[in-house]
Amino acid sequence: EPEVTQTPSHQVTQMGQEVILRCVPISNHLYFYWYRQILGQKVEFLVSFYNNEISEKSEIFDDQFSVERPDGSNFTLKIRSTKLEDSAMYFCASSETSGRYEQFFGPGTRLTVL
Amino acid sequence: AQKITQTQPGMFVQEKEAVTLDCTYDTSDQSYGLFWYKQPSSGEMIFLIYQGSYDEQNATEGRYSLNFQKARKSANLVISASQLGDSAMYFCAVSGSARQLTFGSGTQLTVLP
Repeated sequence: EPEVTQTPSHQVTQMGQEVILRCVPISNHLYFYWYRQILGQKVEFLVSFYNNEISEKSEIFDDQFSVERPDGSNFTLKIRSTKLEDSAMYFCASSETSGRYEQFFGPGTRLTVL
Repeated sequence: AQKITQTQPGMFVQEKEAVTLDCTYDTSDQSYGLFWYKQPSSGEMIFLIYQGSYDEQNATEGRYSLNFQKARKSANLVISASQLGDSAMYFCAVSGSARQLTFGSGTQLTVLP
């Protein structure tokens, strides 16, 4: 069964450093998303991406964040200068263009900022 | 704006019994979808069930069913014949025209042997 994959599974970084989180969505999906979950809290939407551009973003997704689809398979989230409060689980998800909107989530990347 | 309310932070159920997890929603979209995801202690988000706002029948997927009451804006998840492996956090979510999911705060379900 096709699945969303994410790398790395765990990333530890120093405050102020740049990190890139990588995702490979399901191959025939065209909508991509990033969500984050701070430990013990609910999952929060960050950004959605369609047709090589951002379609929606939340207030969390400020200038420190960017997304990119550098090739036909990868979808990345970059945090330019990490803060302590960026420590969270980051989930990538993808969905088809039409019909049911269910989003399939990757296993997540746990980001720890020291 | 969309909002999900899950009022049960924790629930306990005896193995093999049925359990209902509550979810109420608020959305200004006429067409929307309601979802339930399971998050075990390992952390991944597992899609369980989907209900479209125009679906006349309640959704069912194996042991999971969604009790959709549109007038009450509720979308409760019913798990029949609970198993020990059902112990997890359960999140209700809504999506509308913007497609992104808005999640509730979750319900931690513990299945007792």
